[in-house]
Amino acid sequence: KQEVTQIPAALSVPEGENLVLNCSFTDSAIYNLQWFRQDPGKGLTSLLLIQSSQREQTSGRLNASLDKSSGRSTLYIAASQPGDSATYLCAPSTDSWGKFQFGAGTQVVVTP
Amino acid sequence: DAGITQSPRHKVTETGTPVTLRCHQTENHRYMYWYRQDPGHGLRLIHYSYGVKDTDKGEVSDGYSVSRSKTEDFLLTLESATSSQTSVYFCAIRATSGMPPEGNEQFFGPGTRLTVL
Repeated sequence: KQEVTQIPAALSVPEGENLVLNCSFTDSAIYNLQWFRQDPGKGLTSLLLIQSSQREQTSGRLNASLDKSSGRSTLYIAASQPGDSATYLCAPSTDSWGKFQFGAGTQVVVTP
Repeated sequence: DAGITQSPRHKVTETGTPVTLRCHQTENHRYMYWYRQDPGHGLRLIHYSYGVKDTDKGEVSDGYSVSRSKTEDFLLTLESATSSQTSVYFCAIRATSGMPPEGNEQFFGPGTRLTVL
């Protein structure tokens, strides 16, 4: 069974700093991996989907890298803003049916 | 938001009663999923569907059943609700209507908060 670990569990940074969020997974034979954010009491918002054939994916201030051989993905958020405060979840899928295994998330607080 | 709605958004029920949650999508996506989210366990897959009348079990399917008689609706039924099924339930769709290519994002609904007393 795929085990997904996100480190750190919580992170507090001042506005403007870059954020680095780590995700590790035990089964490197992934199909793809998706990053989400979740605001308190809300649903999940898709941030980036990175395919197994890709090394990285970028969207605005967000960049996700994928190293399948080491079972790791990293989400970088440049020049953080208070609006980036949320819980960030990574979810790899090991089959074509889109069945995700979720990590517990990293709770981020960006202080003004 | 991929046109996903969930109903009801909140529900309180008693142990032993059946409960049905509805997920509705407006964009004709083939794949739909039900997850539950609990503190300490994160999000876990309950059931998923890959077409009308085509469903399969996920990681935590015991005590749940699903039905999909129309593309747009995916129903989750708790046959006899228990306190351990108190949770937030999320529906998701995969943004494709064809075969499962790898590059298809999943989008989530707003969730249903269920409390079983």
